[in-house]
Amino acid sequence: GAGVSQTPSNKVTEKGKYVELRCDPISGHTALYWYRQSLGQGPEFLIYFQGTGAADDSGLPNDRFFAVRPEGSVSTLKIQRTERGDSAVYLCASSLKGGTPPYFGPGTRLTVT
Amino acid sequence: DQQVKQNSPSLSVQEGRISILNCDYTNSMFDYFLWYKKYPAEGPTFLISISSIKDKNEDGRFTVFLNKSAKHLSLHIVPSQPGDSAVYFCAASGSGGSNYKLTFGKGTLLTVNP
Repeated sequence: GAGVSQTPSNKVTEKGKYVELRCDPISGHTALYWYRQSLGQGPEFLIYFQGTGAADDSGLPNDRFFAVRPEGSVSTLKIQRTERGDSAVYLCASSLKGGTPPYFGPGTRLTVT
Repeated sequence: DQQVKQNSPSLSVQEGRISILNCDYTNSMFDYFLWYKKYPAEGPTFLISISSIKDKNEDGRFTVFLNKSAKHLSLHIVPSQPGDSAVYFCAASGSGGSNYKLTFGKGTLLTVNP
């Protein structure tokens, strides 16, 4: 079956611009996660959705970052006024429910110039 | 403060031999541990997990060992194959209400030479 998909695979944007990153989870998975992986680091937790609601957004670095999942399926991570330090690979993952091993998508590589 | 540590950035092994990847953690609230494998330009792929009530879990060529008193776990791959060459991440989560949040190590690059 289809895995987690993320679009775009690569995004280059200028400092100060707004970007949206999209995630399509595995069908039937109620739990959805966003992680961020910087160069030489492991993935770092950003936000967890159970259904439509953000159950834990404690990993979002600041209020420039926001994520939604309005219908409990597709999710969008939104970053306002991008900064060079936001450059990283943004990984989306989903699982049947919270606490079961998540399946990761291929990631979106964001480069802020 | 790194709560999950993979102290070896890289490991090189001959095909057919055993690969041993190590991971240490500092947070005593962690009680579920996972290993992920990552190829370039792909997302991490779940390999194997272990709960803190066990000290060993085996799945084919992959075995994970957990030593709770030492806060140490290891992944054994036997026999190693060239296709196993990838970055391996150790991850941990807590119990109860925080069991969904994974804390990852920095990864170990495994190279299996033919």
